[in-house]
Amino acid sequence: DAEITQSPRHKITETGRQVTLACHQTWNHNNMFWYRQDLGHGLRLIHYSYGVQDTNKGEVSDGYSVSRSNTEDLPLTLESAASSQTSVYFCASSETSGGYNEQFFGPGTRLTVL
Amino acid sequence: GENVEQHPSTLSVQEGDSAVIKCTYSDSASNYFPWYKQELGKGPQLIIDIRSNVGEKKDQRIAVTLNKTAKHFSLHITETQPEDSAVYFCAGLPGGTALIFGKGTTLSVSS
Repeated sequence: DAEITQSPRHKITETGRQVTLACHQTWNHNNMFWYRQDLGHGLRLIHYSYGVQDTNKGEVSDGYSVSRSNTEDLPLTLESAASSQTSVYFCASSETSGGYNEQFFGPGTRLTVL
Repeated sequence: GENVEQHPSTLSVQEGDSAVIKCTYSDSASNYFPWYKQELGKGPQLIIDIRSNVGEKKDQRIAVTLNKTAKHFSLHITETQPEDSAVYFCAGLPGGTALIFGKGTTLSVSS
């Protein structure tokens, strides 16, 4: 069955370190998204991509970067981790351009920055 | 940019009662409004959506209503069951780009 996976599921890191969170989907979806979920803030969009080599900033993109070299993967990199980036991160994918289609979410990565 | 406000932040009901969650949006260009359900430890999952050319949509025990003039939309769950307990998110889609989510509502259904 097609799916979307995230790794690692849990990560503890130190302030200032570079961290990369992986997201892999097997639906062959063009669209991929990264969100962070924090208590009291809901889901906030970090970056999104509508296809290979396409990336766009979301609401809270400062301190994060993504690259899309193939259809299946959209890794999220924290260039220099900060305590404010402690959060649960969700990756999602959807079928076609624009936001009108169902987004399929991964299981999430819980990141703690000490 | 688009701003989606969701109320209430928590909602407790007895099994069998109805639950209503309301959202307002700011961008009049938004024309797609999905609702996602997130169970504990999992990613959100789409449960129902509505487009701006429709005023109401139903799927078994859940329904969504949309008032474009007032810029608000609501999720209605009837005959609630314990398995309806979850966090619910509404979202708006400004300009067909990317979803903007509300802050979520934690629904607790007690038996």
